[in-house]
Amino acid sequence: DAGVIQSPRHEVTEMGQEVTLRCKPISGHDYLFWYRQTMMRGLELLIYFNNNVPIDDSGMPEDRFSAKMPNASFSTLKIQPSEPRDSAVYFCASWGAGAPFTDTQYFGPGTRLTVL
Amino acid sequence: KQEVTQIPAALSVPEGENLVLNCSFTDSAIYNLQWFRQDPGKGLTSLLLIQSSQREQTSGRLNASLDKSSGRSTLYIAASQPGDSATYLCAFQSGSEKLVFGKGTKLTVNP
Repeated sequence: DAGVIQSPRHEVTEMGQEVTLRCKPISGHDYLFWYRQTMMRGLELLIYFNNNVPIDDSGMPEDRFSAKMPNASFSTLKIQPSEPRDSAVYFCASWGAGAPFTDTQYFGPGTRLTVL
Repeated sequence: KQEVTQIPAALSVPEGENLVLNCSFTDSAIYNLQWFRQDPGKGLTSLLLIQSSQREQTSGRLNASLDKSSGRSTLYIAASQPGDSATYLCAFQSGSEKLVFGKGTKLTVNP
């Protein structure tokens, strides 16, 4: 398996623009997580899905952020409108349900977002 | 609110030294404790996962221990090498699918 795939790897945009980050989880994994990493706050969970259904979005910072998982192999995280404080590395991770507390989450390489 | 603290934030050691990274957590209702490695510009890679019923896990030169009563975990790296230079994060999992991460310890092993 190719692992968790994220695109784009780098995104530079101007304040006010819409940004869409994409993730393809590992095949067969039915949990998908979106995280944000900054120097100040570390790694924070934004939202996670189980079987394509959002389970907990309490980490989503504002209504400007939204996430969807239309099918088992694809998820998006959208920021509209973007602001400079959204600059961070955004990670997607997936997890198999066979052993939720005995197996690890598998992380993608991340998308580095810079909002000017 | 569950919190995970890692001390020190950064550590620099000469090659060959044995070292210990520390992680503390506030919630005793733990399911597992995980250690991850993050290289610059890369995602996280799982190193070791210790279930609540276990006291330690070993993989090669790495050994992780878990003490639930004191809310602490340590990652021991034996005979450190320059290739071990990375940021090491611990993550705590309690009664949900969520992981709570510490901010990490940035390790530099000097040749």
